Amino acid sequence: AQKVTQAQTEISVVEKEDVTLDCVYETRDTTYYLFWYKQPPSGELVFLIRRNSFDEQNEISGRYSWNFQKSTSSFNFTITASQVVDSAVYFCALSEDTGANSKLTFGKGITLSVRP
Amino acid sequence: DTGVSQDPRHKITKRGQNVTFRCDPISEHNRLYWYRQTLGQGPEFLTYFQNEAQLEKSRLLSDRFSAERPKGSFSTLEIQRTEQGDSAMYLCASSPQGRETQYFGPGTRLLVL
Repeated sequence: AQKVTQAQTEISVVEKEDVTLDCVYETRDTTYYLFWYKQPPSGELVFLIRRNSFDEQNEISGRYSWNFQKSTSSFNFTITASQVVDSAVYFCALSEDTGANSKLTFGKGITLSVRP
Repeated sequence: DTGVSQDPRHKITKRGQNVTFRCDPISEHNRLYWYRQTLGQGPEFLTYFQNEAQLEKSRLLSDRFSAERPKGSFSTLEIQRTEQGDSAMYLCASSPQGRETQYFGPGTRLLVL
């Protein structure tokens, strides 16, 4: 069975601070996909990034960066120079590469509040 | 491309009533998923379709729940004899194929009184 743990529940930072959101996953598969989604107050889940289990190269996209470490089963997400608009709930998710049901297993989410 | 759309966005109903939600996926996306999200939790998988075929249902989907995707385009999720425990956000997502990124709609927030 697959599982995603987001141990942090709420994080509050002041604008322009850097913040890292942690994600730890469990799966028996050797091939799988990891995702981060953002859920602003409006409720819609917004896709941020997807990585497959064979690609451990870290990625930077603007103020966002991701650190994937297979050895520790972690896929952490860092926002540099946070802004008020980054306030949202952030979900880490896992999908096994079955080719059949690629359902997502989500963590419980981390509520990020960025104060001006 | 327009995104995934869901209708209605909000629904308030009394216990025991039936409700139906609609999801329109991104055009030409073959896969369509339904998830349920309760307060303070991440979304949980309910069921998915490959074109018009419903291929898997979660044990969360009781007999009171039924989903269809009659022509492989839009999908409906019906809940019969609603209970207060059905109050949640119902999210729909679509993807081109399996293993692809799922894109979510805005959700339908259901409140059962």
